[in-house]
Amino acid sequence: DTGVSQDPRHKITKRGQNVTFRCDPISEHNRLYWYRQTLGQGPEFLTYFQNEAQLEKSRLLSDRFSAERPKGSFSTLEIQRTEQGDSAMYLCASSLDGLGVANYGYTFGSGTRLTVV
Amino acid sequence: GDSVTQMEGPVTLSEEAFLTINCTYTATGYPSLFWYVQYPGEGLQLLLKATKADDKGSNKGFEATYRKETTSFHLEKGSVQVSDSAVYFCALSLISGAGSYQLTFGKGTKLSVIP
Repeated sequence: DTGVSQDPRHKITKRGQNVTFRCDPISEHNRLYWYRQTLGQGPEFLTYFQNEAQLEKSRLLSDRFSAERPKGSFSTLEIQRTEQGDSAMYLCASSLDGLGVANYGYTFGSGTRLTVV
Repeated sequence: GDSVTQMEGPVTLSEEAFLTINCTYTATGYPSLFWYVQYPGEGLQLLLKATKADDKGSNKGFEATYRKETTSFHLEKGSVQVSDSAVYFCALSLISGAGSYQLTFGKGTKLSVIP
């Protein structure tokens, strides 16, 4: 197991285009999270999956954003009609059950850096 | 709401100097506390954690003690190295209504260590 993998590492897109990012969590982790990190800021929570169920979404996740985790394995985050304000690092993380987070934190991927031009 | 405040950077130190990065938090419950480190171009790595009052987390020479009375979790290292140059994030975790254990992060403190 090589940890949490994210693809692509970098994405440059024109405003108005759709983009999709992929995250492969650690295989035995049933919890998966997406965070967004803008320049000079700490990561901010976007959404959370337990297995295939999306249980929580932040107010940051506008209706242009959608996330899925089919079969409770990998996850995708899609942004439709991208805007310049969407430029950020999108981080995926996974964890064991709740106590696993409290005791061990998450394991983060290296992120996908999105630039909207 | 829950929040984390950490000292603003950047912090520039000479090699072997003593490091302190202050972190205080506001939380409605009893959070777990973490320090994460982010090296250039990489994701976040867990540096250390503490889950209850007076716990001391430690790793790679870094330490932080969970102080409930002052709601603080300051990061310290006795002798920094050039390889410690990175951005350090303080974070707390509380269970949400949906059971998500969201992490709430500070803005990060950039540390540069010069030879």
